[in-house]
Amino acid sequence: DGGITQSPKYLFRKEGQNVTLSCEQNLNHDAMYWYRQDPGQGLRLIYYSQIVNDFQKGDIAEGYSVSREKKESFPLTVTSAQKNPTAFYLCASTQREFNEQFFGPGTRLTVL
Amino acid sequence: GQNIDQPTEMTATEGAIVQINCTYQTSGFNGLFWYQQHAGEAPTFLSYNVLDGLEEKGRFSSFLSRSKGYSYLLLKELQMKDSASYLCAVMDSNYQLIWGAGTKLIIKP
Repeated sequence: DGGITQSPKYLFRKEGQNVTLSCEQNLNHDAMYWYRQDPGQGLRLIYYSQIVNDFQKGDIAEGYSVSREKKESFPLTVTSAQKNPTAFYLCASTQREFNEQFFGPGTRLTVL
Repeated sequence: GQNIDQPTEMTATEGAIVQINCTYQTSGFNGLFWYQQHAGEAPTFLSYNVLDGLEEKGRFSSFLSRSKGYSYLLLKELQMKDSASYLCAVMDSNYQLIWGAGTKLIIKP
């Protein structure tokens, strides 16, 4: 079955620690995206990548970093510079930028 | 600036019909998407409109008026499993999705 996986589903970290969220897809999609979802707000774009070894900042990239070394993988690192990292993080992919996006199950990060 | 507006919450009765509205102001338009999101889960794609008019897909229909910057999602024969948030998103001139905050739909028996 093709799809997007994110791990772990729940993650707890102490303030000041970096943490990496995993996102893997086997849909052979070119484009991948990271969003953050907070209560009462729409999804906000953190980073996106349209091809391997290339990525662009979204609206709220500060305090985050990504890599795209393989087509299937787009990990997101939440650094200690991110002032309010507690949120629900969603990874998505699409074959072409104008097609619908498919989402992974999400990772809920809580920073204590 | 870019803006997507949709009601925060709506309540409807099982078996009834509900219409969820979405108005938008964006820099460019390359289509409007509707997604369903159950609490704590990923959004799932429902519909895509790029031309004016109504698109029907089973119990769900979506309408678009580009001149008015307006769309609605119509859900018929409501079922308890339709209780979820419904997200409206517009693809702008850079092919980026601008998301509304979502409408939480509560279905009562």
